[in-house]
Amino acid sequence: EIVMTQSPATLSVSPGERATLSCRASQSVRSNLAWYQQKPGQAPSLLIYGASTRATGIPARFSGSGSGTEFTLTISSLQSEDFAVYYCQQYNNWPPITFGQGTRLEIK
Amino acid sequence: EVQLVESGGGLVQPGGSLRLSCAASGFTFSSSDMSWVRQTPGKGLEWVSAISGSDGSTYYADSVKGRFTISRDNSKNTVYLQMNSLRAEDTAVYYCANDKTLIDNWGQGTLVTVSS
Repeated sequence: EIVMTQSPATLSVSPGERATLSCRASQSVRSNLAWYQQKPGQAPSLLIYGASTRATGIPARFSGSGSGTEFTLTISSLQSEDFAVYYCQQYNNWPPITFGQGTRLEIK
Repeated sequence: EVQLVESGGGLVQPGGSLRLSCAASGFTFSSSDMSWVRQTPGKGLEWVSAISGSDGSTYYADSVKGRFTISRDNSKNTVYLQMNSLRAEDTAVYYCANDKTLIDNWGQGTLVTVSS
């Protein structure tokens, strides 16, 4: 089973600033990496797939990069609605799909 | 619009059973792979089980293998998760999803609490 490790656990950023979230896989997942956003009381929602492709309706301020074992989610200019928990997920080696433990993005 | 509506969660004693249902609409259910993913505060998001749309093949996480059974009724556009021999560590919000690898649609979740 591939272990996904996210850092940091919590990130404090001011609105309008850039946020950079990291995700590492215990072995290569090629580009089969997704990012999800989860707000309190809601299910996760897909942001990025294929490591860098935005899902339908996702604003351009969200971007993903990386391949193999190292991945990054960047939010270029934080809006109030972006403060949430973000999860990475690999779908290269299935079953099982595996998720990182999440990064909580909070307002500084 | 894709809709996934879970039901069947609740409080159950250790060793007990529960059956979750997920009613689907807005897509071609019969040919779609379906999954269950659960979430706990301690362990985060954990894939539980999946069922193929093409041939009905089933897949399970090691943590639930032999205790949980996934099934589907294409005439009712519904996927089920039969959970037996429940343990405290099965306590979670259970989400239904309309894929087995990349999940772009999730239900709202149903809470399962295993406690005496």
